[in-house]
Amino acid sequence: ETGVTQTPRHLVMGMTNKKSLKCEQHLGHNAMYWYKQSAKKPLELMFVYNFKEQTENNSVPSRFSPECPNSSHLFLHLHTLQPEDSALYLCASSQDTLTSGGTGELFFGEGSRLTVL
Amino acid sequence: SQQGEEDPQALSIQEGENATMNCSYKTSINNLQWYRQNSGRGLVHLILIRSNEREKHSGRLRVTLDTSKKSSSLLITASRAADTASYFCATDAWYNFNKFYFGSGTKLNVKP
Repeated sequence: ETGVTQTPRHLVMGMTNKKSLKCEQHLGHNAMYWYKQSAKKPLELMFVYNFKEQTENNSVPSRFSPECPNSSHLFLHLHTLQPEDSALYLCASSQDTLTSGGTGELFFGEGSRLTVL
Repeated sequence: SQQGEEDPQALSIQEGENATMNCSYKTSINNLQWYRQNSGRGLVHLILIRSNEREKHSGRLRVTLDTSKKSSSLLITASRAADTASYFCATDAWYNFNKFYFGSGTKLNVKP
């Protein structure tokens, strides 16, 4: 138990569906992240939020839409996905290194395994 | 791209042997971290080394950092079957705080 909870753990969706992934952290951190992990590829940093503000969008297609309503919750809204979007989506949190003196250690959830048919 | 690259991609050793994994990166960093991932699970933080440090120890783990060569190594001594996992390095650049980039990882198999 890392203090970062992701739901659902598994999701199967068609290309026309709309679904959301949810991440919640109970660590009091002020930075949250979405990463995508595909087979045999490096983890891809998708989005970064610091103090609820998006500070990174790593050229992610608009069919992925993040939402950070507060420092403890992060969502990834999915719509009209492609089969190549099938992957393990990992959420992480950390204490901001620049303003809060955090070490930069990332705490990951267990991931949401997404399959797009 | 800032992301690190681990080497080798896969490593198979006997229990009790030492395992060494390497990481190379491209830009000047703020710090470098190593993570472990069991199959299909989330990543777990192992150790962090700052850009002004050269070596760090934590239990059976030893990490070195050579900023002149933009490389780091992770040594696991006296390996155990339970160490079987994928290992990743992550860096954040000095100008890009809180944005951590990972490599493809080294898949370690420790045979009992």
